[in-house]
Amino acid sequence: GENVEQHPSTLSVQEGDSAVIKCTYSDSASNYFPWYKQELGKRPQLIIDIRSNVGEKKDQRIAVTLNKTAKHFSLHITETQPEDSAVYFCAASERASGGSYIPTFGRGTSLIVHP
Amino acid sequence: DAGVIQSPRHEVTEMGQEVTLRCKPISGHNSLFWYRQTMMRGLELLIYFNNNVPIDDSGMPEDRFSAKMPNASFSTLKIQPSEPRDSAVYFCASSFDKRMETQYFGPGTRLLVL
Repeated sequence: GENVEQHPSTLSVQEGDSAVIKCTYSDSASNYFPWYKQELGKRPQLIIDIRSNVGEKKDQRIAVTLNKTAKHFSLHITETQPEDSAVYFCAASERASGGSYIPTFGRGTSLIVHP
Repeated sequence: DAGVIQSPRHEVTEMGQEVTLRCKPISGHNSLFWYRQTMMRGLELLIYFNNNVPIDDSGMPEDRFSAKMPNASFSTLKIQPSEPRDSAVYFCASSFDKRMETQYFGPGTRLLVL
């Protein structure tokens, strides 16, 4: 099955700095890569995603890059703000025979943005 | 749309008791997923349904766990008997596989087994 490694487990930055979270996956059949943000006591919420036919995607201060050859994908947050503090999860998904996309999640990165 | 709805939001029970968690997916979504989240193991997929049919339950930890989806708008996850190590946050998520790969999570049920 798929295996997703996520690093670092904890990331502490100053407000205004950039933050980068990296993930690797093992199954070349994975073709959809969502990133979720989970604030304390809340549900995971999708913040950005990328499909395997795209190398980079940007949405305001967040961007995701994908290197299919190396099976790496990364989340980049620029100009970090205290409200960016949360746990971020990456996932690698492939479409199962039943039609559903089944994600395998990384263990999460706890991002702390200091004012 | 109200999003994915889960109940109860919090559950405290004693070891050996039966626990039933409930989920209502987003209307029109045809895939439903049950996850368990703990500090030790992260976010684990327990079981998922497609068009109300259980497709893969390989993540269900033991026979004490069972899940049903009697119709497109309702699913249950049952633990009988419950044990302290079942304490976790249980999330339900839904998606529409014909157009969207994205899963939308419910607010979760925080379970504590004493």
